[in-house]
Amino acid sequence: AQSVTQLDSQVPVFEEAPVELRCNYSSSVSVYLFWYVQYPNQGLQLLLKYLSGSTLVKGINGFEAEFNKSQTSFHLRKPSVHISDTAEYFCAVSDPGYSTLTFGKGTMLLVSP
Amino acid sequence: GAGVSQSPSNKVTEKGKDVELRCDPISGHTALYWYRQSLGQGLEFLIYFQGNSAPDKSGLPSDRFSAERTGGSVSTLTIQRTQQEDSAVYLCASSYDGYEQYFGPGTRLTVT
Repeated sequence: AQSVTQLDSQVPVFEEAPVELRCNYSSSVSVYLFWYVQYPNQGLQLLLKYLSGSTLVKGINGFEAEFNKSQTSFHLRKPSVHISDTAEYFCAVSDPGYSTLTFGKGTMLLVSP
Repeated sequence: GAGVSQSPSNKVTEKGKDVELRCDPISGHTALYWYRQSLGQGLEFLIYFQGNSAPDKSGLPSDRFSAERTGGSVSTLTIQRTQQEDSAVYLCASSYDGYEQYFGPGTRLTVT
């Protein structure tokens, strides 16, 4: 069974600073990878996904992630964060051909002025 | 267009009662998923419907949980004889391609 590890439960950062949210997954075979964002009292919104092709994936709101197969990682980055990026971020994995998602525990991004 | 909708948004029920949670997926999406989000367990898969195929129920935590999907559209998740540990946010998602899932706002269930 797949598993996803988000090492940081909270990441505090100042506005306009860069940020990286870390995600590692367990499988060494082909996987699909996703990052979702959840704003307070809302559902999950897809930020970006990796299915195949280029290992650098660009998503919405200026976020990007890099798939690293050898390190089984899919870290999320943003060069300059805004107050409005304060939310919880979830990394998720699925097996190709079987689309249910396995989520990490989430990382709370706290952006302060 | 309209997104995934769920009702009710909040539900408070007494221990031992049955509850029904509803999900309206995006029109044309053939795949529908239920997940549960709780403080202790994070986000967990519950059940998955794909078209007319038999649902994948492998994530249901007990036989008190069941779900159906009528006419390939609306889905209802039923929890019988609710327990306090069932308190969580229940999220529904739908997908047209099986990869990109669109989530609803969730139903917050509180069992007292």
